[in-house]
Amino acid sequence: NAGVTQTPKFQVLKTGQSMTLQCAQDMNHNSMYWYRQDPGMGLRLIYYSASEGTTDKGEVPNGYNVSRLNKREFSLRLESAAPSQTSVYFCASSESRIQETQYFGPGTRLLVL
Amino acid sequence: DQQVKQNSPSLSVQEGRISILNCDYTNSMFDYFLWYKKYPAEGPTFLISISSIKDKNEDGRFTVFLNKSAKHLSLHIVPSQPGDSAVYFCAAKWGAGSYQLTFGKGTKLSVIP
Repeated sequence: NAGVTQTPKFQVLKTGQSMTLQCAQDMNHNSMYWYRQDPGMGLRLIYYSASEGTTDKGEVPNGYNVSRLNKREFSLRLESAAPSQTSVYFCASSESRIQETQYFGPGTRLLVL
Repeated sequence: DQQVKQNSPSLSVQEGRISILNCDYTNSMFDYFLWYKKYPAEGPTFLISISSIKDKNEDGRFTVFLNKSAKHLSLHIVPSQPGDSAVYFCAAKWGAGSYQLTFGKGTKLSVIP
């Protein structure tokens, strides 16, 4: 039981390049989330998927797209990376509604030059 | 405008003593509060939560207190242990069925042996 896994752990991109961050959970959770954490800041929600087949914007969705590939996997795509997207990205999952505990992955550290 | 505030960026406590981490919020619609703990290079892990209908919740060494009139909550750790050294995030949710958590910026706790 690995919980929430994220790949890659670290990535360097040049401005304008694209990439997809992968997230998978093996807890049979319905809901999945993508957050970013910037230095000295709390986590901010980018997108979430309440259940398989649905996605919704969070607090900071601009510049990102998501895909809920199946119940286990939720990917985050940067179509044209910008230096402002340099951050640590965390994926999380929960059983269902937000009052259920969210379980976080180890994070992906992204540097955009 | 920060809706969840952790005004102390850091806190140092002697091993065995009590650690008190504070959190203030401005949105009176928040109805559920959580504390997460984060070690370097790892994702946040859930610690303890409290519903707005309660004023205290206890789990082992960890107790969260909620003062709705003051829009203030605190996390007490007794006794503090060196393994408790981490960044602690306060988070809040509002609205039935809402999926969005609002996080504070975190407080770095150092427990000195």
